[in-house]
Amino acid sequence: GESVGLHLPTLSVQEGDNSIINCAYSNSASDYFIWYKQESGKGPQFIIDIRSNMDKRQGQRVTVLLNKTVKHLSLQIAATQPGDSAVYFCAENIAFGNEKLTFGTGTRLTIIP
Amino acid sequence: EAGVVQSPRYKIIEKKQPVAFWCNPISGHNTLYWYLQNLGQGPELLIRYENEEAVDDSQLPKDRFSAERLKGVDSTLKIQPAELGDSAVYLCASSQGQGSLSYEQYFGPGTRLTVT
Repeated sequence: GESVGLHLPTLSVQEGDNSIINCAYSNSASDYFIWYKQESGKGPQFIIDIRSNMDKRQGQRVTVLLNKTVKHLSLQIAATQPGDSAVYFCAENIAFGNEKLTFGTGTRLTIIP
Repeated sequence: EAGVVQSPRYKIIEKKQPVAFWCNPISGHNTLYWYLQNLGQGPELLIRYENEEAVDDSQLPKDRFSAERLKGVDSTLKIQPAELGDSAVYLCASSQGQGSLSYEQYFGPGTRLTVT
C-alpha cells in the first residue's frame, strides 16, 4: 500500500481498546474543526466536526473534544477495530461556511489485532 | 451515488514535461477544490471554484500551474513544465457550496504524480 513519511506521528492501539489522537491547531480565530480519516491510496474521509461554541461532540464510536484555551483538539475512538487503521488529520476553518480548510500534520493509527 | 472521480490514478513523467489531471465532482456540488498532498503531510489547497469561477487561487503557483472548470462541472489541473518537486498526490474535492446546509468536502482518491 501507499507509504507515508517516516516523520508522521504514530499511535498503536490494541484492538478493542480506546484511542485518543491529539491535534494542536494554529489559528486562535478558527471557528470550525473537522477530523478526517485517510486510508492508504484513498482521499481523506470526513469523520466528525465541531464548532467553536462547543467543547464536545459525539458520533458513532467517535468523540471530538475542543479546548480553545490551549488550541487543542482531540479525537477519541472507542472500541477500536482493524478498519480504524489509517492516518487521521485535523483541519481548521476560519469560519463555518468559509470552506477554506487548513490541515494539520496527520497521525498514523495502527490497530493491533 | 458516485463519489468524486479523478483520473489518472497514477502518472509518471520526466521533468519539464506537461501533465494534466481530471476531476469529476459529485453531481450537484457547486464548489470544487484542488489540493496538493506531499508525503506524510495534510492536503494543501491550490484552488477553489464556485461553479466556473476561481474564487481562491492564492496558493496556486501560476507560473507553471493552471486550472479550469469551464462549464462549472468537471475540472482540469495542469502543470507545465513539471519539476521534480511537483511529485505528490493531487486531490480533488467537492462540496455543495455557498448557501447550502452542508460544507462537508468529499475527496476523490487522488492522482499520484511522480516526476523523474
